[in-house]
Amino acid sequence: DTAVSQTPKYLVTQMGNDKSIKCEQNLGHDTMYWYKQDSKKFLKIMFSYNNKELIINETVPNRFSPKSPDKAHLNLHINSLELGDSAVYFCASSLRTSGTTIAKNIQYFGAGTRLSVL
Amino acid sequence: AQKITQTQPGMFVQEKEAVTLDCTYDTSDQSYGLFWYKQPSSGEMIFLIYQGSYDEQNATEGRYSLNFQKARKSANLVISASQLGDSAMYFCAMRERNTGNQFYFGTGTSLTVIP
Repeated sequence: DTAVSQTPKYLVTQMGNDKSIKCEQNLGHDTMYWYKQDSKKFLKIMFSYNNKELIINETVPNRFSPKSPDKAHLNLHINSLELGDSAVYFCASSLRTSGTTIAKNIQYFGAGTRLSVL
Repeated sequence: AQKITQTQPGMFVQEKEAVTLDCTYDTSDQSYGLFWYKQPSSGEMIFLIYQGSYDEQNATEGRYSLNFQKARKSANLVISASQLGDSAMYFCAMRERNTGNQFYFGTGTSLTVIP
């Protein structure tokens, strides 16, 4: 069973199109994330949701809109795709930290979606 | 300031030798966790090892160990008996209690194991 699954794995599209990437986790986690990894392998956090509530919203063009229908799903919709959006997008999940100490709440990643905008 | 710094963009190691990948971190929080991930050429991000700031012993997971030096704010990953399959990007990450759900990642180190 795949713990964090995202679809599609590859996405090739023309500039100006709108596309969505779906993510689902079956780990019972309450927090989900979207990251963008550029060609230099730098991982940039985009969004995070905890129990369907947006808790991290980094400086990202508003063409990117996350949507979390429930705590097991976090989808990413991208409008008016641009060449610079080409990257690998990772979904991830973890449990939220609680209490006074950090628990060993590991963040698990999906396999990534390689987006190519032509 | 960078939360996580990985100063080695690329490293080479001979098969069966040990290698240390450096990671330093910056936090004023007393409670935090440090993580290492491996990203092979296939692209997935694989969790390797975790160290909590209050853990007194260095974490170990098979051939991976974490050399945790709290006063120096370093959390180096040591891979013993390198194998060809260890060739990958390695990312150091941190999570602080105060910032809760945010994971801070370094820029990664590309490790190549030479036969």
